[in-house]
Amino acid sequence: GAGVSQSPRYKVAKRGQDVALRCDPISGHVSLFWYQQALGQGPEFLTYFQNEAQLDKSGLPSDRFFAERPEGSVSTLKIQRTQQEDSAVYLCASSSSGLAAQQYFGPGTRLTVT
Amino acid sequence: QKEVEQDPGPLSVPEGAIVSLNCTYSNSAFQYFMWYRQYSRKGPELLMYTYSSGNKEDGRFTAQVDKSSKYISLFIRDSQPSDSATYLCAMSSTNTNAGKSTFGDGTTLTVKP
Repeated sequence: GAGVSQSPRYKVAKRGQDVALRCDPISGHVSLFWYQQALGQGPEFLTYFQNEAQLDKSGLPSDRFFAERPEGSVSTLKIQRTQQEDSAVYLCASSSSGLAAQQYFGPGTRLTVT
Repeated sequence: QKEVEQDPGPLSVPEGAIVSLNCTYSNSAFQYFMWYRQYSRKGPELLMYTYSSGNKEDGRFTAQVDKSSKYISLFIRDSQPSDSATYLCAMSSTNTNAGKSTFGDGTTLTVKP
């Protein structure tokens, strides 16, 4: 079946703009995760949902970052007042269980802040 | 110091070679150990995961976990040019942070025909 999809695949934003990144998980997957991957580094955890409940947001780097999953399916990661250091690939993953060990990743959204 | 350390390489081997990729970690709460393969401009692809210590084999891939040494390995037998990618190890615990994976920074592997 279809895997995790993310949109847009590429986003260029001017510093100070707000952006919204979308994730469509695998159908029926209750858990959804967001990660940030800087160039040459491994993904860094941002936040985790089980259904619509945000169980862990300890990785969000500042209050400019906000994630939601209102109906327990599609999720949106919003970054307000983007800064150059926000430039990275934002990865979404989903899992049929609550375990990070069984995550399946989408292709990512590459955000460039100019 | 990072919780998960991984030699970045790059690692270059001839086709057919056995490849060994390794990670060390410092958090004794980690119970799940994962290996991902990431091609350029793609998302990580889960290869296999292991719970606690021991070995796990899947085709040409074997994962080993030594919790006493806080050391994990991935072996690739009969390596192919299509195995050329970045390999990421990742770990998670089974407590309230079970949803969070901690990744290494990846090892870049090139398999030459």
